[in-house]
Amino acid sequence: DTAVSQTPKYLVTQMGNDKSIKCEQNLGHDTMYWYKQDSKKFLKIMFSYNNKELIINETVPNRFSPKSPDKAHLNLHINSLELGDSAVYFCASSQSGTGGNTQYFGPGTRLTVL
Amino acid sequence: DAKTTQPPSMDCAEGRAANLPCNHSTISGNEYVYWYRQIHSQGPQYIIHGLKNNETNEMASLIITEDRKSSTLILPHATLRDTAVYYCIVRVANQAGTALIFGKGTTLSVSS
Repeated sequence: DTAVSQTPKYLVTQMGNDKSIKCEQNLGHDTMYWYKQDSKKFLKIMFSYNNKELIINETVPNRFSPKSPDKAHLNLHINSLELGDSAVYFCASSQSGTGGNTQYFGPGTRLTVL
Repeated sequence: DAKTTQPPSMDCAEGRAANLPCNHSTISGNEYVYWYRQIHSQGPQYIIHGLKNNETNEMASLIITEDRKSSTLILPHATLRDTAVYYCIVRVANQAGTALIFGKGTTLSVSS
């Protein structure tokens, strides 16, 4: 069973379009994250949610809007896509608590904006 | 910015131990040392973490110096499948939602 899953795995779209990436975890965790890995391979946090509440919102354009319908899902909606949004997006989850908070990552969604 | 320093690359022969160093001289008392790896653009994979004591699991061992300013990840018998970018990260473990701050990591190449 996949612990953290993302759909789609690949997404190719035109500039200006709106798209969504879905993330689901079946680990029973209470915290979920979105990270972005650009062409230079740097991994950076975008958002984190704990019990459906926004904890981290890095300096990400407001075209990016995370939505957490429940603790097991954190979807990423992107409006008016730009060339610079092309990257691999990783979802992760963790369980808050002492000594842990280890994050487990999904397989990634490779977004290509043409 | 990442609070750790790692060599950009290392080589290891298959079957030998791979020892990956990490410097974290500004680590705080409540920060853990985490190790992740990323194999060819797959999602980062958790390996191990520790606070003060040395730790061992089925994947690796983590040796933390007494002053906690550096650590070493040990893969006891490296295989070709261990070729990956290895990230050493320090972070507070008990705050919900805190991010992992990834640096450039060490690219480990295991060859036969």
